[in-house]
Amino acid sequence: EDKVVQSPLSLVVHEGDTVTLNCSYEVTNFRSLLWYKQEKKAPTFLFMLTSSGIEKKSGRLSSILDKKELFSILNITATQTGDSAVYLCAVAGTASKLTFGTGTRLQVTL
Amino acid sequence: EPEVTQTPSHQVTQMGQEVILRCVPISNHLYFYWYRQILGQKVEFLVSFYNNEISEKSEIFDDQFSVERPDGSNFTLKIRSTKLEDSAMYFCASRTGQTQGETQYFGPGTRLLVL
Repeated sequence: EDKVVQSPLSLVVHEGDTVTLNCSYEVTNFRSLLWYKQEKKAPTFLFMLTSSGIEKKSGRLSSILDKKELFSILNITATQTGDSAVYLCAVAGTASKLTFGTGTRLQVTL
Repeated sequence: EPEVTQTPSHQVTQMGQEVILRCVPISNHLYFYWYRQILGQKVEFLVSFYNNEISEKSEIFDDQFSVERPDGSNFTLKIRSTKLEDSAMYFCASRTGQTQGETQYFGPGTRLLVL
C-alpha cells in the first residue's frame, strides 16, 4: 500500500523565519511528488517533482526530491502570515492517483 | 486561468438519500478524479476516470458510489444511499493526460453533511 508521511504535523513560527517541511514516501510505480497548499478548501498546486536533486523554486518557496532516500523537503524562507496553511505532500503512483500525507499545519505569527 | 469548478459548495442530506455532486473539469483535461477528506483527516483517493470509464478505484468506492460524464463538460459523483460516515469534503480534480504523473488541479470542493 502506498504511504506518505509528513513531519512535523504542526509548526508555529514567527514572521521572517525559515521553515523546512518534510515528506517521506513508499509507493509502487512512482511517477511524481507534488506539494499543495491548503488554506480553507481546495489544495492549490505548488510544485511537482519528478527528478532527484533538481530544486524547484517559486519566490520564497523551494522544493527538492531525493528518489534514492524517498523523501522531499519544502522550504519557505522569510515566512509571512499569508503562508499560514496546511501543506500537503502527495505522490502519484499507479494510474496517477495521488496518495496524500496528513499534512503539516504551519502557523506564522507576527 | 482555467479552474475546476464544483457544485454545490455545501449539501446537507438525510441518511439513505441519494446525492449527486457535480464537477466541471478544466476543458482540455482528459483524466478526472474524485477525492474526499473527512474532517481532520487526510485527503483520500476515491476514483479515477478516463475515456468514459473508471481506471482505478479505492476500497472506499463501493457499490454505493458511481461516476459519470454525462456530457462533454460535467463529471458527477453519485452516492446512492448516503451514510453518516459519508460526511466529508469531496474534491474533484483533473489533469491533461499529456504525461504520466503530471499535476492534478483541484476544485473548491463540496462539503457533504449526512444527518
